[in-house]
Amino acid sequence: LAKTTQPISMDSYEGQEVNITCSHNNIATNDYITWYQQFPSQGPRFIIQGYKTKVTNEVASLFIPADRKSSTLSLPRVSLSDTAVYYCLVGDEDGGRRALTFGSGTRLQVQP
Amino acid sequence: EAGVAQSPRYKIIEKRQSVAFWCNPISGHATLYWYQQILGQGPKLLIQFQNNGVVDDSQLPKDRFSAERLKGVDSTLKIQPAKLEDSAVYLCASSLVGPPGGGVSETQYFGPGTRLLVL
Repeated sequence: LAKTTQPISMDSYEGQEVNITCSHNNIATNDYITWYQQFPSQGPRFIIQGYKTKVTNEVASLFIPADRKSSTLSLPRVSLSDTAVYYCLVGDEDGGRRALTFGSGTRLQVQP
Repeated sequence: EAGVAQSPRYKIIEKRQSVAFWCNPISGHATLYWYQQILGQGPKLLIQFQNNGVVDDSQLPKDRFSAERLKGVDSTLKIQPAKLEDSAVYLCASSLVGPPGGGVSETQYFGPGTRLLVL
C-alpha cells in the first residue's frame, strides 16, 4: 500500500497558527479525511473530518484541494496544551484494495 | 457517555507466552477496530469488525493473532505465541457504523490502549 506521509515534527510558539500537511496520493474515492490528536499514554482523539474544500470547527480547520491527494490541518493560535502528535487517517486504495491507513504522525512542540 | 474501555492497561510477558486483551466499545457502536501502535509510529489496523462479522483482517498476522467479537459487543484480541516484535500499544476503537466494503470513514473513538512488553 502507498504510504500516507506527514512531516515528522514541527515547532511553534504560543499564539501562532500551525499548519500540518498530510500526503495521501491513493485516497479511496468515497473516503473522508480525518485528523486525530494523541497525547502520551492516551488513545488518539478526533479533531476534524472532511471530504473536500474546507471544513472548520471550534478547534481547527481542514483544507482539502480538489484532487484530494493531500490535506492540511490548521490550528489557530496554538497553546502549550496543543503539544501532541497529530495523525491523518484515510482509506488508502492500492491495487483495488482499500485499507484504513494512519499517517506516520507529526509531533508538534509548542513553546511559550 | 462512557468511552471505549480496555483492559488490562499494561502487560509484561515473556516471548512464546500467550496474552489476551479485552475491549468494550461505546454502547450502540456497530464497528470495532483493533490497532497495533509501535513506539514512534502511527496506529496500524489489525482487524475491523462490523457487528460480529469481520470487515478487514488483511494485516492481522493470523499465525499468531486472533480476535473475536461475540454477540457484536465486546471483543478480545489474543496473541499466541508472542514474539519480541509484538511489543506495542494495542488500541481498540469503535464507531457508530462502518460500511462493509469500505467507503466513508466514520469517526472513531479510541480507548486508552494496552501497553504490551514482550521480554
